[in-house]
Amino acid sequence: KAGVTQTPRYLIKTRGQQVTLSCSPISGHRSVSWYQQTPGQGLQFLFEYFSETQRNKGNFPGRFSGRQFSNSRSEMNVSTLELGDSALYLCASSAFIRRTGGSPTQYFGPGTRLLVL
Amino acid sequence: AQKITQTQPGMFVQEKEAVTLDCTYDTSDPSYGLFWYKQPSSGEMIFLIYQGSYDQQNATEGRYSLNFQKARKSANLVISASQLGDSAMYFCAMRGQRDTGFQKLVFGTGTRLLVSP
Repeated sequence: KAGVTQTPRYLIKTRGQQVTLSCSPISGHRSVSWYQQTPGQGLQFLFEYFSETQRNKGNFPGRFSGRQFSNSRSEMNVSTLELGDSALYLCASSAFIRRTGGSPTQYFGPGTRLLVL
Repeated sequence: AQKITQTQPGMFVQEKEAVTLDCTYDTSDPSYGLFWYKQPSSGEMIFLIYQGSYDQQNATEGRYSLNFQKARKSANLVISASQLGDSAMYFCAMRGQRDTGFQKLVFGTGTRLLVSP
C-alpha cells in the first residue's frame, strides 16, 4: 500500500499571502489529521477530518482551515501568512489495526516545509 | 488535561548497545493509549510501538520494547542493539481522550538519539 503523500514538499511564501497544502491518505483510511511542527512549540494538533466533516480542532486562529473531499483527500489552507507560520506541516491518516488493540493509529506523511519570508 | 514529558533532549549511544528513552505522562482518563514515533531528518513520523493502558504485558516490536510502569505513569522506549540508522528524533505521544477526540495525538518534546560507530 502506498503511504500518506503530501504536496508540495517545500514552499516559500511571503507575509500576507495564502497557501494550500494537500494530503492524500493511505487507501481505505477515512480520517485525516493535520499537525504543525515548529522548534518553539513542538508538534501541535490542527484539526481532524472524517467523511468530509471536521471532527476536532486544535487551538489555532481562524486563518487555518481545512477540508476533506469524498475520496478522503484533504487540504489545509492558511490565509494571511505570518512569519510564525513557518513550520513543518504533517498530515496523518488513521486506521484501527490489530497491533494496537483497536486503538486508532496515525500514519504520517513526509510533511510540507513552509517558509514564510 | 493530558501531558507528555520527555526530559532527555539528547542521548548518545554506541552501535550495538541498548538505550532507554524516557517518557512520563499525565491524564485523567483511565483508558488511554501511548505511542512512540521516530522522526528522521527527512521529517516523516514513523510509528514504532503502542501500549494500551489495559494491556497486561509490555509491548514489543522487534528491537523496540516498552517499559510500561502504570503506577509511575511512565512508558519508556527501549531500543536494543542500536544501529546507525536509529539516529533520529523520538517522540512519545498519547491518544486523545473521548471528549477531545481519539485521533488527536498529544506529543512530548522529543529526544534526539545519536548512534555512534
